[in-house]
Amino acid sequence: KAGVTQTPRYLIKTRGQQVTLSCSPISGHRSVSWYQQTPGQGLQFLFEYFSETQRNKGNFPGRFSGRQFSNSRSEMNVSTLELGDSALYLCASSWSNRANTGELFFGEGSRLTVL
Amino acid sequence: DQQVKQNSPSLSVQEGRISILNCDYTNSMFDYFLWYKKYPAEGPTFLISISSIKDKNEDGRFTVFLNKSAKHLSLHIVPSQPGDSAVYFCAASGNSGYALNFGKGTSLLVTP
Repeated sequence: KAGVTQTPRYLIKTRGQQVTLSCSPISGHRSVSWYQQTPGQGLQFLFEYFSETQRNKGNFPGRFSGRQFSNSRSEMNVSTLELGDSALYLCASSWSNRANTGELFFGEGSRLTVL
Repeated sequence: DQQVKQNSPSLSVQEGRISILNCDYTNSMFDYFLWYKKYPAEGPTFLISISSIKDKNEDGRFTVFLNKSAKHLSLHIVPSQPGDSAVYFCAASGNSGYALNFGKGTSLLVTP
């Protein structure tokens, strides 16, 4: 079956703009998580959604937001972009409602560059 | 505050030898630990995991050891193969299980 699909794969924005990233989970997966990967910090948890409800949020400012739709697709939005937001944004989906089952499938990521 | 630490950014090992990747954690509430492997331009893929009720879990060439008293885990790859060259992330999960806390990764290079 198709894997986790993230769009766009690459994008360039300027400071102050906003960006929306999209994630389509594996069919049947109801949990979607978002992670930010930067060289200095590794992978950091942004938020997790299950059945359209945000169940957990990482330590990121309110400029980072997300949502999940009834078909489990998810979007994340970053407003008022800063240079430090340049990163690879990874989406992961799971059939389980717990990330620690190990069955967390990642997409290839959306690489955001903020100029 | 980094709760999962991988203090070695890189490791180089000869093909056929053992690769040992280390990971330390600070949060005693973590009860499940996982290793993910990441190739360039791909998302991380799950490799192996271990629950805090165990001290060893083996899957083929991959073995994870957990030392709870030292808050330390390690991933052993025996024998190492060139295709194992990738970035390896250690991750830990607590009671909620909704989020994984990742280390910064160790880049493994296996040379022929």
